[in-house]
Amino acid sequence: KQEVTQIPAALSVPEGENLVLNCSFTDSAIYNLQWFRQDPGKGLTSLLLIQSSQREQTSGRLNASLDKSSGRSTLYIAASQPGDSATYLCAAGSGNTGKLIFGQGTTLQVKP
Amino acid sequence: DVKVTQSSRYLVKRTGEKVFLECVQDMDHENMFWYRQDPGLGLRLIYFSYDVKMKEKGDIPEGYSVSREKKERFSLILESASTNQTSMYLCASSSTRAGSNQPQHFGDGTRLSIL
Repeated sequence: KQEVTQIPAALSVPEGENLVLNCSFTDSAIYNLQWFRQDPGKGLTSLLLIQSSQREQTSGRLNASLDKSSGRSTLYIAASQPGDSATYLCAAGSGNTGKLIFGQGTTLQVKP
Repeated sequence: DVKVTQSSRYLVKRTGEKVFLECVQDMDHENMFWYRQDPGLGLRLIYFSYDVKMKEKGDIPEGYSVSREKKERFSLILESASTNQTSMYLCASSSTRAGSNQPQHFGDGTRLSIL
């Protein structure tokens, strides 16, 4: 059974710092890997999706990588800003129905 | 932009009531999902549907049922609400194009309290 883990559970950094969020999964036979952002009391916003045949995806200051052999994905945030403060969740896709298995998330605080 | 709309942001019901949570998406997505989110437990999949009238159980289907009569609408039903079903409920939708899954798009959630 697929399990997704995100460490650390919480992270606090000063504004301007580059940072990496980690995600690990137990079953390398994933369909894709997705990263989401969640603001307090809100739904999830999709940030990046990496298909199983891809190694990375980039959007603005965000870069996500995927290494299926080691069961890891990272989300790199460049030049962090206070507006980046949120909970970041990764999710492993299984099968072609779009079903996702979520990690517990990393809550990021960027201090001005 | 994809829009996933959940019928209520906040809902208060009593134990034993039958509760309906509605979700509508406007992008003709094949796949729709219902999750619940609880502190310390994360997001857990209740049910999902990959086509009209099709449904599959997720990880925690007990006490819930679903209905998908039209492609754009996916309803979650609590047959007899209990206090342990107090939670944040999130609906999502996605499409499958050219054999690969596209990102899931989420609604803003319904915070349901069962008294």
